[in-house]
Amino acid sequence: GESVGLHLPTLSVQEGDNSIINCAYSNSASDYFIWYKQESGKGPQFIIDIRSNMDKRQGQRVTVLLNKTVKHLSLQIAATQPGDSAVYFCAETANDMRFGAGTRLTVKP
Amino acid sequence: DAGVIQSPRHEVTEMGQEVTLRCKPISGHNSLFWYRQTMMRGLELLIYFNNNVPIDDSGMPEDRFSAKMPNASFSTLKIQPSEPRDSAVYFCASSVRDEQFFGPGTRLTVL
Repeated sequence: GESVGLHLPTLSVQEGDNSIINCAYSNSASDYFIWYKQESGKGPQFIIDIRSNMDKRQGQRVTVLLNKTVKHLSLQIAATQPGDSAVYFCAETANDMRFGAGTRLTVKP
Repeated sequence: DAGVIQSPRHEVTEMGQEVTLRCKPISGHNSLFWYRQTMMRGLELLIYFNNNVPIDDSGMPEDRFSAKMPNASFSTLKIQPSEPRDSAVYFCASSVRDEQFFGPGTRLTVL
């Protein structure tokens, strides 16, 4: 069946390094993708989105890359900071929004 | 802007009791979503409304779950009777276009 999944459940990086979080999706009809950040005890928070007619979008310290050929989405965080420690979800939208399982990012000082 | 408001923030109840979760979306948002989050299943969409009308409730797990949106500024998610497997964090989110804004969630524990 269709699914949204993440390659790695956890990622640990040194402060100042770049982080890359990956996400695989299988619904070829999905045309809109979002990355959310969820800190402990809080609801998911929008980070950045991308539509299927684009392959890259940049925000402040974050970049989302979309490879429709292999149905892969990634979130790149530049100069990772301790405040970036959280669980990151990718979500895809075709008829409704489906979330991946999440990747926990830990930033070591 | 207060953001999406949910109440209560925490709820502990006994199996068989009725539970009502409340949500106030962001003013001006015309879509409202209810999600459930557990360690085992992650974040699941239960139901969403557009202009107060339920559009897709296919994620509602059983008839014990019901949701209403009587007006643009209020929605409820009710579980009756509640069971221990309903224990989870329930999120409400609202949107005006694609980006959904999430509330802080209600942590429900059913004993």
